[in-house]
Amino acid sequence: DTGVSQDPRHKITKRGQNVTFRCDPISEHNRLYWYRQTLGQGPEFLTYFQNEAQLEKSRLLSDRFSAERPKGSFSTLEIQRTEQGDSAMYLCASSLMFRWVGSEQFFGPGTRLTVL
Amino acid sequence: GESVGLHLPTLSVQEGDNSIINCAYSNSASDYFIWYKQESGKGPQFIIDIRSNMDKRQGQRVTVLLNKTVKHLSLQIAATQPGDSAVYFCAARPTNDYKLSFGAGTTVTVRA
Repeated sequence: DTGVSQDPRHKITKRGQNVTFRCDPISEHNRLYWYRQTLGQGPEFLTYFQNEAQLEKSRLLSDRFSAERPKGSFSTLEIQRTEQGDSAMYLCASSLMFRWVGSEQFFGPGTRLTVL
Repeated sequence: GESVGLHLPTLSVQEGDNSIINCAYSNSASDYFIWYKQESGKGPQFIIDIRSNMDKRQGQRVTVLLNKTVKHLSLQIAATQPGDSAVYFCAARPTNDYKLSFGAGTTVTVRA
């Protein structure tokens, strides 16, 4: 058990609906990452937070995607007007950055999204 | 950016034999490398990492080898067990970066 939790584990939605996923990182970790993984592929970076600040967003993150980490603890990832191409596993990871040295990233179990 | 690729998409291994999974990367600036194991329905699980100032690192039943000259790393699993059946990913990033670039994964199947 890595300590990173995600909710829900599975989400089935109809095209055009909005969905929101939650990630709770390991408690002392100040960095939080979102990745997307499609079948047969490795995870692809989406966005990253240092405490509550979102410091980078990938080009994969279209305007329909928004992520927040309001208090520097848990994070949410919202997808508006879902499309079938959004179907994927959404992974959250966290790590500790201390004195410019980063620890390895620990991943949660993921949220599998299916858009019908 | 970084491009990370695995040499074989699948590997079938007899229980008790050693497994070797190979990975190539493209970015010379990458100096931190990680191997992850992912079982069905779960997130990637950290196995072992290595920094570019090393060429070998050993863990419990696993060894990672890094050849910076040809931008290649490998994961060796000793005495492969049924519980080792999973998809294995290598990932890379520069030390001052935070984004991991993953390869496509090698599916390891252990035959009894």
